[in-house]
Amino acid sequence: EAGVVQSPRYKIIEKKQPVAFWCNPISGHNTLYWYRQNLGQGPELLIRYENEEAVDDSQLPKDRFSAERLKGVDSTLKIQPAELGDSAVYLCASRPGDFSYEQYFGPGTRLTVT
Amino acid sequence: SQQGEEDPQALSIQEGENATMNCSYKTSINNLQWYRQNSGRGLVHLILIRSNEREKHSGRLRVTLDTSKKSSSLLITASRAADTASYFCATDDSGAGSYQLTFGKGTKLSVIP
Repeated sequence: EAGVVQSPRYKIIEKKQPVAFWCNPISGHNTLYWYRQNLGQGPELLIRYENEEAVDDSQLPKDRFSAERLKGVDSTLKIQPAELGDSAVYLCASRPGDFSYEQYFGPGTRLTVT
Repeated sequence: SQQGEEDPQALSIQEGENATMNCSYKTSINNLQWYRQNSGRGLVHLILIRSNEREKHSGRLRVTLDTSKKSSSLLITASRAADTASYFCATDDSGAGSYQLTFGKGTKLSVIP
């Protein structure tokens, strides 16, 4: 079974530039999560999707961050414009469905904003 | 915001020794999970313990949960160099199970061969 796929793995951009991250969850997993992990910290949830619906985006900085999961499968997270403080690892995770609590994580995208 | 707080922040042991990590949290939980993160990689689920359970085992892992003290511990027995990683506790803090996790800051474990 293929795991959660994320691309790119690394991205270096200058501040004020846009950036996008892509995630393909495990086949059949209805729930998709985006997390941000700062250095030395645990992951913090940005947004959760149930199929194509964003059911919790309360932690997503909506002035510059956006996300979509149009067909309920893969997802894109965008930052526009990026700020220095956005440097972090962006993790995608998926979960099979109801009554399954375990989350499966992708390798993450390490973003450096200069 | 971080719900769990792991203790210690860093731990260094010799191969073959046992490693114990602790996690404290603040609110009522449905379940608590432990994840491992190797350097530069995503997180891997290790074990889940439900709020009505007190202890759980999986291979060399033993997890305890004390809901009265809002704390959990993860014991890794007979550690190996490959156990070197950061370990995070994560709580699902909805009574009905919201399927959303709040992670702690992690314990960085180094196992010296």
